[in-house]
Amino acid sequence: EAGVVQSPRYKIIEKKQPVAFWCNPISGHNTLYWYLQNLGQGPELLIRYENEEAVDDSQLPKDRFSAERLKGVDSTLKIQPAELGDSAVYLCASSLVGTSGYNEQFFGPGTRLTVL
Amino acid sequence: AQSVAQPEDQVNVAEGNPLTVKCTYSVSGNPYLFWYVQYPNRGLQFLLKYITGDNLVKGSYGFEAEFNKSQTSFHLKKPSALVSDSALYFCAVYNYGGSQGNLIFGKGTKLSVKP
Repeated sequence: EAGVVQSPRYKIIEKKQPVAFWCNPISGHNTLYWYLQNLGQGPELLIRYENEEAVDDSQLPKDRFSAERLKGVDSTLKIQPAELGDSAVYLCASSLVGTSGYNEQFFGPGTRLTVL
Repeated sequence: AQSVAQPEDQVNVAEGNPLTVKCTYSVSGNPYLFWYVQYPNRGLQFLLKYITGDNLVKGSYGFEAEFNKSQTSFHLKKPSALVSDSALYFCAVYNYGGSQGNLIFGKGTKLSVKP
């Protein structure tokens, strides 16, 4: 079974430029998460999707960040314009969440963003 | 609000010795607790979880964790450390917010196992 796929793995851009990250979750997983991981810190949730619906985007800086999951499968996270402080690892995770309760999340390898 | 704390930034252990990575939690209801491991340039890998049941939870790669309700702790343990266990370890708690919630992570503990 293929895991969570993310691309690109690494991205270097200059500040004020736009950037986009792509995530393909594990097949059949209905819930998709984008996390931000700063150096020396644990991941922090940016946005959570249940199918196509963003059910928790309270931590997403909406002035510059946007995300979509149009068909309830893969997802794109965008930053426009990027700032120096956006340099971090962006992790995507997926899980199959049903009526039986919580299921563990499976993480992709992440995209390491460097803003110069 | 749910939270976890990992009091140690780094743990150093000699190969073959037992290891413990500490985690304490704060939750408003029944805790759902997790341990993940992160190797360099890799995503987080699930090790084990506590939902209900036995306080000693066994997971991947020989790791186990002990849930202690009175001390609000969920320490990760392994009887005999391997050099290949060197990695970053994260404790997490399931956040009940929203319809399904998400994971809230500690800041991580770097485990270094020396030959």
